[in-house]
Amino acid sequence: AQTVTQSQPEMSVQEAETVTLSCTYDTSESDYYLFWYKQPPSRQMILVIRQEAYKQQNATENRFSVNFQKAAKSFSLKISDSQLGDAAMYFCAYRSRVDDKIIFGKGTRLHILP
Amino acid sequence: DAGVTQSPTHLIKTRGQQVTLRCSPKSGHDTVSWYQQALGQGPQFIFQYYEEEERQRGNFPDRFSGHQFPNYSSELNVNALLLGDSALYLCASSFGLGDTNHYEQYFGPGTRLTVT
Repeated sequence: AQTVTQSQPEMSVQEAETVTLSCTYDTSESDYYLFWYKQPPSRQMILVIRQEAYKQQNATENRFSVNFQKAAKSFSLKISDSQLGDAAMYFCAYRSRVDDKIIFGKGTRLHILP
Repeated sequence: DAGVTQSPTHLIKTRGQQVTLRCSPKSGHDTVSWYQQALGQGPQFIFQYYEEEERQRGNFPDRFSGHQFPNYSSELNVNALLLGDSALYLCASSFGLGDTNHYEQYFGPGTRLTVT
């Protein structure tokens, strides 16, 4: 069974600084999707960034980028130029290519310090 | 374009009662998945509906059941409520299944269920 582990329950970063959230996962599959979701206090789960395992190039979305290390089964999220609106719970998640269920980690709560 | 909507927003029930939660998928989506998010935890997959049938199920007891209607909306039913069923219930919609499903799952705002 696949698992997703986020070892940082909480993190803080100064506004405008850069922060990296860590995630590791375990799977025996070779092709899959990885995601970072953001869940602000409004509870709406928002997709931040997606990585397809067969792509070697790390995904980037504006200030958000990932470091995908397939052999190490590591998938970290880097947020550059942190903004107050980035404060939220961040979930790392895994989805098999043939199975629609998303497996989430326990989350990292990110605080942005003004 | 309306996103995923869920009702009600909040619900308080007594142990042993039954509850029905509702979800309307994003326009153009035909697949609905339900997740349970306990306080301080990540969401856990309950089940998925496509073409009005349950296609996949997570590790949840039979007290959790669902339905999908011809208009793709869905209901989640929980019988014989336990205190441990208190959680945020999230609905997510998408298009297609499995390897044909290249698109992200769009989540609704959730229903907060409290069992007393």
